Amino acid sequence: DTGVSQDPRHKITKRGQNVTFRCDPISEHNRLYWYRQTLGQGPEFLTYFQNEAQLEKSRLLSDRFSAERPKGSFSTLEIQRTEQGDSAMYLCASSLGSMAQHFGDGTRLSIL
Amino acid sequence: GENVEQHPSTLSVQEGDSAVIKCTYSDSASNYFPWYKQELGKGPQLIIDIRSNVGEKKDQRIAVTLNKTAKHFSLHITETQPEDSAVYFCAASTNTGNQFYFGTGTSLTVIP
Repeated sequence: DTGVSQDPRHKITKRGQNVTFRCDPISEHNRLYWYRQTLGQGPEFLTYFQNEAQLEKSRLLSDRFSAERPKGSFSTLEIQRTEQGDSAMYLCASSLGSMAQHFGDGTRLSIL
Repeated sequence: GENVEQHPSTLSVQEGDSAVIKCTYSDSASNYFPWYKQELGKGPQLIIDIRSNVGEKKDQRIAVTLNKTAKHFSLHITETQPEDSAVYFCAASTNTGNQFYFGTGTSLTVIP
């Protein structure tokens, strides 16, 4: 399978803990995007990378959210000091330039 | 920023009938409009997209139309089948592709 891969698929954690999600994009894609999706809503853009450069991060939800793509391949999204409101599906997508984005199946985060 | 509105939120059609989903956008700089299908537990899957230099695009049973003047675009599915049942999202982006704005989704049910 050469699609976008996200790990883990599900994460359950207690409020206040830190969590990290990983995304492996389609190999030849230079852009990588992170989104959050809550029930009944469309994906909400968080941040994106072109190669290893994070070109847009103004829409990260708070300073508890951070993302990295150190070598321009896989990316991680970290949420520190998780809160109840962070419960959502976190989606990753990749694209070749401004071509169509291809999504992974997401990581579902549940905060106890 | 861009605001994408999508209607209807739910749509039920008989198998074989057509389904139409409409979206409006606010930013005249938006010029790329993809449509995604999302099944339960999966990430959004691109089904068709259109750029602003084209008024209509068709792919088998699926077509998208774009009216730049009125800032709206529509998804048309003909000869619907039960496997078309899913949530459909429209989105808008500028040509730089650095931010995508999604509609709130349409839950389509095709009744056999």
